[in-house]
Amino acid sequence: EVQLVESGGGLIQPGGSLRLSCAASGFTFSNYWMHWVRQVPGKGLVWVSRIRTDGTNIDYAASVKGRFTISRDNAKNTLFLQMNSLRVEDTAVYYCVRDWGNGYDFWGQGTLVTVSS
Amino acid sequence: DIQMTQSPSTLSASVGDRLTITCRASQSIDSWLAWYQQKPGKAPNLLIYTASILQSGVPSRFSGSGSGTDFTLTISSLQPDDFATYYCQQYKSYPRTFGQGTKVEIK
Repeated sequence: EVQLVESGGGLIQPGGSLRLSCAASGFTFSNYWMHWVRQVPGKGLVWVSRIRTDGTNIDYAASVKGRFTISRDNAKNTLFLQMNSLRVEDTAVYYCVRDWGNGYDFWGQGTLVTVSS
Repeated sequence: DIQMTQSPSTLSASVGDRLTITCRASQSIDSWLAWYQQKPGKAPNLLIYTASILQSGVPSRFSGSGSGTDFTLTISSLQPDDFATYYCQQYKSYPRTFGQGTKVEIK
């Protein structure tokens, strides 16, 4: 069974840093591009970042470029999102998602990041 | 960036109704479109990809059509489990963009 389990969310002050993790299981993690998608509670879905199978070909949404860093450890089947210089508008549920080439076929349960003083 | 516009934003319907949700892209995305269903407090679930192909396990009452810039998601006979929010997403180019969502409510 494919599982994506995010962790690392929480309450953080503006300007702070958090590192999200996504533990993958039930599939060959190194074969898939992976993404982060976020959702402000009650609002729509917004793509955040993507990473290729080998950890290259990385891209970010304009709103997080220069502040967020996506990475992966294929040996540990884990995806990461390092979030620095957090802003109030980064408050959202962050989903780890698997890209199978035709959209996102598996999503994690999400981890809530709240940026507030 | 490619903008995705869904309509309507909210739809009130009854069990058994036929429902159509539309999604328009600001430029051609060929058939690189997916539809997702999201229930409150849950992650989205892939329903349809490549505009019209039903994801495995998705009931056949769901169907998708369109290409280029105009797409539709149809539910042939609304069931109680279908009351949810639906999103379209283009995956032709980055940044991947979603429609704003269509909430299907009970009339």
